[in-house]
Amino acid sequence: DAGVIQSPRHEVTEMGQEVTLRCKPISGHNSLFWYRQTMMRGLELLIYFNNNVPIDDSGMPEDRFSAKMPNASFSTLKIQPSEPRDSAVYFCASSPQADTQYFGPGTRLTVL
Amino acid sequence: GESVGLHLPTLSVQEGDNSIINCAYSNSASDYFIWYKQESGKGPQFIIDIRSNMDKRQGQRVTVLLNKTVKHLSLQIAATQPGDSAVYFCAETYGNNRLAFGKGNQVVVIP
Repeated sequence: DAGVIQSPRHEVTEMGQEVTLRCKPISGHNSLFWYRQTMMRGLELLIYFNNNVPIDDSGMPEDRFSAKMPNASFSTLKIQPSEPRDSAVYFCASSPQADTQYFGPGTRLTVL
Repeated sequence: GESVGLHLPTLSVQEGDNSIINCAYSNSASDYFIWYKQESGKGPQFIIDIRSNMDKRQGQRVTVLLNKTVKHLSLQIAATQPGDSAVYFCAETYGNNRLAFGKGNQVVVIP
């Protein structure tokens, strides 16, 4: 099993640009989570999906952030427009049921 | 790549000794707990879990203890190895699939 796959692994962009992060969950897992990790705030849950449906997006910082899961094997997290304070490592995780979450390697985002 | 806080509690342990990492959780209704290990530049990796109807669970070289009375969770690592150097997070959940993570503890293994 390849585990959770995220792309890109690193992204450097300029303020105001659109950023799209991608995630492929583990096959057969029906829950998918997006997290953000920073030095100051640690790991924060942004949004999670169950069976491709967004269940809880209360952690999404503001309207600049959006997430989609068009099918069971793909999800995107989009930031538009990006700001320097969005710089962080973004993790995607998947889970087979209401149980252990398995994390991807993360995308390190730097907004200049 | 650093992805953890600058001021994490740090445990320095000699290689071969046992390590104990502690975590206080916040919600008395939490019914499932997980320990994760995060190495630099990587995502959190599942180590071991425990449900609230248990107070101890053992894995390979690791043991998790749960004290619901004082809402305390601990992770014991036996015969600590250099590869155990990482940040360790406890996480709790109380339904809706949401995991709430602690701030993390840095473990540094001294060869």
